Amino acid sequence: SQQGEEDPQALSIQEGENATMNCSYKTSINNLQWYRQNSGRGLVHLILIRSNEREKHSGRLRVTLDTSKKSSSLLITASRAADTASYFCAYSGAGSYQLTFGKGTKLSVIP
Amino acid sequence: GAVVSQHPSWVICKSGTSVKIECRSLDFQATTMFWYRQFPKQSLMLMATSNEGSKATYEQGVEKDKFLINHASLTLSTLTVTSAHPEDSSFYICSAPNFGQGAVFSYNEQFFGPGTRLTVL
Repeated sequence: SQQGEEDPQALSIQEGENATMNCSYKTSINNLQWYRQNSGRGLVHLILIRSNEREKHSGRLRVTLDTSKKSSSLLITASRAADTASYFCAYSGAGSYQLTFGKGTKLSVIP
Repeated sequence: GAVVSQHPSWVICKSGTSVKIECRSLDFQATTMFWYRQFPKQSLMLMATSNEGSKATYEQGVEKDKFLINHASLTLSTLTVTSAHPEDSSFYICSAPNFGQGAVFSYNEQFFGPGTRLTVL
């Protein structure tokens, strides 16, 4: 499976600012998911967006999906120091439950 | 949400020994589980798909004789790293899709275990 690309690889912002991370992929997908991983820990599922959806919100999170461009973005508004973590997109192809992960974005929120 | 556990959470072993990692779905049945490996500062890479009642399927480049997978029941999959070497040191994570909403791929959410950190000396 081809690993997705994410940018930026690292992002450093001040608390209260918004953070935007992008993910691109190369195949047709069923859905795309975003996960957070604190250093050395397991994954926390943030949000799932289906291939027929264009935008989804969950609290301070906003995810968009553009299947024509094969890309997705994750926006975290009003960031907090506790948002400091690595963020990964992951997607499953048509007819599959297997997830392919992007390379991740390391977000640092400075208090 | 569904819960997946892993045991142990960390293990240190000597080179040449074998290490078994367990992945359990605690409140749902998982006919399929996935095993990932994550090296420091890198993303997760799928190693293999564990199928209850049948052989696991391995991704290209993953040695099936080195990474033995047994899906013993509908709630348990094990990964055994045989004859471990320092280059096998990594963070191993399992996941399982919850078919609670039926086998609809677009609704699939996977639940991840907390991971097992393996250090081979």
